[in-house]
Amino acid sequence: SQQGEEDPQALSIQEGENATMNCSYKTSINNLQWYRQNSGRGLVHLILIRSNEREKHSGRLRVTLDTSKKSSSLLITASRAADTASYFCATDHVNYGGATNKLIFGTGTLLAVQP
Amino acid sequence: NAGVTQTPKFQVLKTGQSMTLQCAQDMNHEYMSWYRQDPGMGLRLIHYSVGAGITDQGEVPNGYNVSRSTTEDFPLRLLSAAPSQTSVYFCASSYLRAGEFRETQYFGPGTRLLVL
Repeated sequence: SQQGEEDPQALSIQEGENATMNCSYKTSINNLQWYRQNSGRGLVHLILIRSNEREKHSGRLRVTLDTSKKSSSLLITASRAADTASYFCATDHVNYGGATNKLIFGTGTLLAVQP
Repeated sequence: NAGVTQTPKFQVLKTGQSMTLQCAQDMNHEYMSWYRQDPGMGLRLIHYSVGAGITDQGEVPNGYNVSRSTTEDFPLRLLSAAPSQTSVYFCASSYLRAGEFRETQYFGPGTRLLVL
């Protein structure tokens, strides 16, 4: 089964509002990454947060990680119509044998920003 | 740099046909992988490779073969296409440091495959 599950599945907001997406995962991780995908295109990396970090910022993006709850959130502030896309979390998880060398993606959140 | 390239962009197959999806990267990445993306399912890992001559299975490997004879190329073979393999296929590559993905995955533009 997939490691990451995003919530909500879809989100519609007005331009200028903040958008928050959540990701939950099941097993221990090295890091967690967020990606964006515009319709019909490949994925583009947004931000990476290591397992020993709790919060990270990049421009209008803010990512938090709570390893005790096995969850992460992506906040996009002052959203723009151009932020309309699907957003995916991806986890680099480990097991007792060490690294799994697998980057597992969640099911994604479809964000629509209305102008 | 061209980044990650995939060919073809679109392909229509009949059930039972075989084909190879090509993927190449020019960034000297040791790690390469194949994902398929279906509506509502996100991306699922098919196969991956941590270096030339080394491949391993992902979440959904059945019906697919891979090989990694060079650092640059990582082709995905469909042995006998089935309608369930209709999907969009993405190839990705990255550096891998001590078994950890510390940097971004670079994705190709995708191959849209329809199996009739």
